[in-house]
Amino acid sequence: AQSVTQLDSQVPVFEEAPVELRCNYSSSVSVYLFWYVQYPNQGLQLLLKYLSGSTLVKGINGFEAEFNKSQTSFHLRKPSVHISDTAEYFCAVSRGLTGGGNKLTFGTGTQLKVEL
Amino acid sequence: DADVTQTPRNRITKTGKRIMLECSQTKGHDRMYWYRQDPGLGLRLIYYSFDVKDINKGEISDGYSVSRQAQAKFSLSLESAIPNQTALYFCATSDAGGDFYEQYFGPGTRLTVT
Repeated sequence: AQSVTQLDSQVPVFEEAPVELRCNYSSSVSVYLFWYVQYPNQGLQLLLKYLSGSTLVKGINGFEAEFNKSQTSFHLRKPSVHISDTAEYFCAVSRGLTGGGNKLTFGTGTQLKVEL
Repeated sequence: DADVTQTPRNRITKTGKRIMLECSQTKGHDRMYWYRQDPGLGLRLIYYSFDVKDINKGEISDGYSVSRQAQAKFSLSLESAIPNQTALYFCATSDAGGDFYEQYFGPGTRLTVT
């Protein structure tokens, strides 16, 4: 079974500052990795995903994440945040095609609060 | 119009009552999921269905049941609600092919059991 650890439950940051949200995973097989964002009072939407290929993946709204297999990490970054980025961010992992289709295992979430 | 809808959006019910949460989708996806979200615990999978005749338990299925009435409809039932089932419930869908790994979420149902 796979698991996901999001090390920070809350991250406060000033507008226009850079931010990194940390995610580590554990799995005995190859995985697919995802970041989802949940804006207040809304469902989750996909921010970006890593399936294979380039370890640096770019998503919507200027976010990017880097897959690091040796450190089993998939940290999310943005060079300059905006007040509208205030939301909860979830890291998730899937085993993909083998053994269970695309069931997702989610981390506990990181609340990003952007302040003026 | 939203691709994944959930009804009701908010519900308060009493301990011991039976309650059904409904999910409908217009995305044409075969796969549907029910999650619950609790503060500090993230999302946990309750049940999932890969097609109308295929229903599977997730990691926290005890106390819940589901029904896949059609490709587009997937309902979650609490046969006898208890207070620790107070949570935010999400329905999600995904395609069986192509971008199968991306799940599309509904807006959620906030359930309170008193």
